[in-house]
Amino acid sequence: DTEVTQTPKHLVMGMTNKKSLKCEQHMGHRAMYWYKQKAKKPPELMFVYSYEKLSINESVPSRFSPECPNSSLLNLHLHALQPEDSALYLCASSQDSMLVEAFFGQGTRLTVV
Amino acid sequence: QKEVEQNSGPLSVPEGAIASLNCTYSDRGSQSFFWYRQYSGKSPELIMFIYSNGDKEDGRFTAQLNKASQYVSLLIRDSQPSDSATYLCAVKSRSTLGRLYFGRGTQLTVWP
Repeated sequence: DTEVTQTPKHLVMGMTNKKSLKCEQHMGHRAMYWYKQKAKKPPELMFVYSYEKLSINESVPSRFSPECPNSSLLNLHLHALQPEDSALYLCASSQDSMLVEAFFGQGTRLTVV
Repeated sequence: QKEVEQNSGPLSVPEGAIASLNCTYSDRGSQSFFWYRQYSGKSPELIMFIYSNGDKEDGRFTAQLNKASQYVSLLIRDSQPSDSATYLCAVKSRSTLGRLYFGRGTQLTVWP
């Protein structure tokens, strides 16, 4: 089983709203990732959690706030987003954060209005 | 910045043919290499990974790695219309703490 589950699948939010994206995996993976993907572009890394600790923040604006409550869950809290933040947000997990393969969830299509 | 280069295509092949997708990378320290398939509007799906020089086969897919030439490729035999998608090459290295660097992807169309 290589399933990473993301909710919601679609989200429309206003620029003053606060919302959260959720990601869950039950593969015992100890690394979890958030990526952002714009149309016709490759995924861009945002954050990496390794063993529930934030190990990489790719200079992401503070209006995006990640959280890893436990080894199976990863959240991305959103606040005061801009229309240019509209994108496909992808969660991924891997056995560890180093060299092994990562599996992606189905993504959340976010539209900021 | 670690560069991963792919021919963006589009690559168009007839059904039943072999599709050949190529990728080069700039970081000689890269140690893990991945191919993801992404259908329009969907998330990337891992189809192959390779860590050692040479060929790795899985069904209709063969990944080839040549670290001396900094080159990795994906061959799809007996291509099917359902293989039509964007194929993303990605690499990881220990020196970059496992960051997955993606190429821009090659769009493949298999016509019946």
